[in-house]
Amino acid sequence: EDQVTQSPEALRLQEGESSSLNCSYTVSGLRGLFWYRQDPGKGPEFLFTLYSAGEEKEKERLKATLTKKESFLHITAPKPEDSATYLCAVQASGGSNYKLTFGKGTLLTVNP
Amino acid sequence: ETGVTQSPTHLIKTRGQQVTLRCSSQSGHNTVSWYQQALGQGPQFIFQYYREEENGRGNFPPRFSGLQFPNYSSELNVNALELDDSALYLCASSLELAFGEQYFGPGTRLTVT
Repeated sequence: EDQVTQSPEALRLQEGESSSLNCSYTVSGLRGLFWYRQDPGKGPEFLFTLYSAGEEKEKERLKATLTKKESFLHITAPKPEDSATYLCAVQASGGSNYKLTFGKGTLLTVNP
Repeated sequence: ETGVTQSPTHLIKTRGQQVTLRCSSQSGHNTVSWYQQALGQGPQFIFQYYREEENGRGNFPPRFSGLQFPNYSSELNVNALELDDSALYLCASSLELAFGEQYFGPGTRLTVT
């Protein structure tokens, strides 16, 4: 069964204080790993897709990286508007490739 | 380009009742997936529809059922509501079957009392 574990569960940063969120995964064969941002009471907003180990993607202050067992979401010089829950999900390459399996998310709070 | 829309935004039902939630997929997308998100949890896959056929199903009982229409919009029906069905129900559309990026709607908050 596909599994995704995210850590930490919650992270509080000061504005400008860089850090990383972790996503560990177990999947029979990885088709893709996805990062989403979710604001309270809203649907997840797509951020990145990573397909193979060594791949990196960047968007503004966010950079996602992928290894064979985990992914990191690096946040450089965060601002208060980066506060949200960040969700990681995997899609398998085998028979269950129709679904995304999500972790519980990391709640990021950036204080001014 | 129109994004994924869902209706209603909020809904309150009584245990034992039935509910229908609706989703319009993003323009050009023919695949719709439904997820249930309990408070403090990540979304859990319910099922996926591709060109009006159910393509895959998660660990949800048969009282959760769905439809996809020729215009690729979709419905989620839940019969015999239980208290544990209270959650945010999310619809996601994607460009083609099993292609990675799924784009989510704003969700329907269902409360069962």
